Amino acid sequence: SAVISQKPSRDICQRGTSLTIQCQVDSQVTMMFWYRQQPGQSLTLIATANQGSEATYESGFVIDKFPISRPNLTFSTLTVSNMSPEDSSIYLCSVAGADTQYFGPGTRLTVL
Amino acid sequence: GENVGLHLPTLSVQEGDNSIINCAYSNSASDYFIWYKQESGKGPQFIIDIRSNMDKRQGQRVTVLLNKTVKHLSLQIAATQPGDSAVYFCAENWDLRVHAGNMLTFGGGTRLMVKP
Repeated sequence: SAVISQKPSRDICQRGTSLTIQCQVDSQVTMMFWYRQQPGQSLTLIATANQGSEATYESGFVIDKFPISRPNLTFSTLTVSNMSPEDSSIYLCSVAGADTQYFGPGTRLTVL
Repeated sequence: GENVGLHLPTLSVQEGDNSIINCAYSNSASDYFIWYKQESGKGPQFIIDIRSNMDKRQGQRVTVLLNKTVKHLSLQIAATQPGDSAVYFCAENWDLRVHAGNMLTFGGGTRLMVKP
């Protein structure tokens, strides 16, 4: 399985600001994903980060709010833009293995 | 996509007992299922998976059962230990356009609490 790290591990931000979350994998992977996990809830897929092309967003998520970069096969970033308290969540990146997905430790975001 | 297991119930068990965590899925076309364990402050960890052509798969202290007739998935943990305390999520692959496991829909999760 891949080793995945995320930065920052947590942050407290003011509303109206933006935060960029980094995801680093120790091996090249084709598919990377970004999820949101709201407090006490399950995981919701935000988008698939595609290397060399624009991310594919799920219903309810838009590029202006959650811009994603994927400059190479080991790295991706997710930006949470113009934050509001409703954006307080854990943000997780994952990578696709042969059959399943492996997750990073998550970034716990609190928006005041 | 259709939802898998909307609720987040809590299961409390005594250390040493067996635990059974259930999950109902609604998409009969799903062909691959996974159980994840998420400890506090960590990302989900893969526990065990099963394909739709199987009805049972065993791992170390864990067994997954799949009943396609009633669209039900369960995770059995034998001799539950305090370290098993976590939230457990089932996930299904319903996007048949891509390789199994690459596109997942997560259930609501169950919190397992192990009493010493």
